[in-house]
Amino acid sequence: AQTVTQSQPEMSVQEAETVTLSCTYDTSESDYYLFWYKQPPSRQMILVIRQEAYKQQNATENRFSVNFQKAAKSFSLKISDSQLGDAAMYFCARGGGSNYKLTFGKGTLLTMNP
Amino acid sequence: EPEVTQTPSHQVTQMGQEVILRCVPISNHLYFYWYRQILGQKVEFLVSFYNNEISEKSEIFDDQFSVERPDGSNFTLKIRSTKLEDSAMYFCASSPGGGYGYTFGSGTRLTVV
Repeated sequence: AQTVTQSQPEMSVQEAETVTLSCTYDTSESDYYLFWYKQPPSRQMILVIRQEAYKQQNATENRFSVNFQKAAKSFSLKISDSQLGDAAMYFCARGGGSNYKLTFGKGTLLTMNP
Repeated sequence: EPEVTQTPSHQVTQMGQEVILRCVPISNHLYFYWYRQILGQKVEFLVSFYNNEISEKSEIFDDQFSVERPDGSNFTLKIRSTKLEDSAMYFCASSPGGGYGYTFGSGTRLTVV
């Protein structure tokens, strides 16, 4: 089975600080994509950032960046200058195969320290 | 920005009843998907649909489930005889292919009583 593992069920961060969420994955495909999704209490799935596996350069979207280590099959998300609105469940996902279906990890709940 | 639209946002149904969940994918997308998320758990793939037929399905997608794209715009998930364990959030998604532009709808919360 091709799995996605998020080893941190819950993380907390103080406002304005930096936090890193971990993700590892398993795949036999050479062409695939990696995603981080944010799920607030509304349960909507919001795309945070996407990385193509063939690109060596780490993706960045404003305060969000990834550390993609292809050989180690690792894809961590760094959130800089954390804001109250960042509190949510974060899911790592791998997409690939002929149908580009997504396989999700179990999620990491990010909470803000007062 | 184009959106994937799902209706209804919340549906309550009695066990054994049939339900149809509706989705309008982004118009120029080619791949369509249904995912399920039981409360407090991860998002699970149910089925993908391409070129007017099922292209892949998971072991969850058994005979009680079916999908259709009846009119070229709507994409529906039918659950024939609902069970209590079908209670979940159901997400529709669409993609033009190649891992780009993968877009989720806001989900339908199904409650089976």
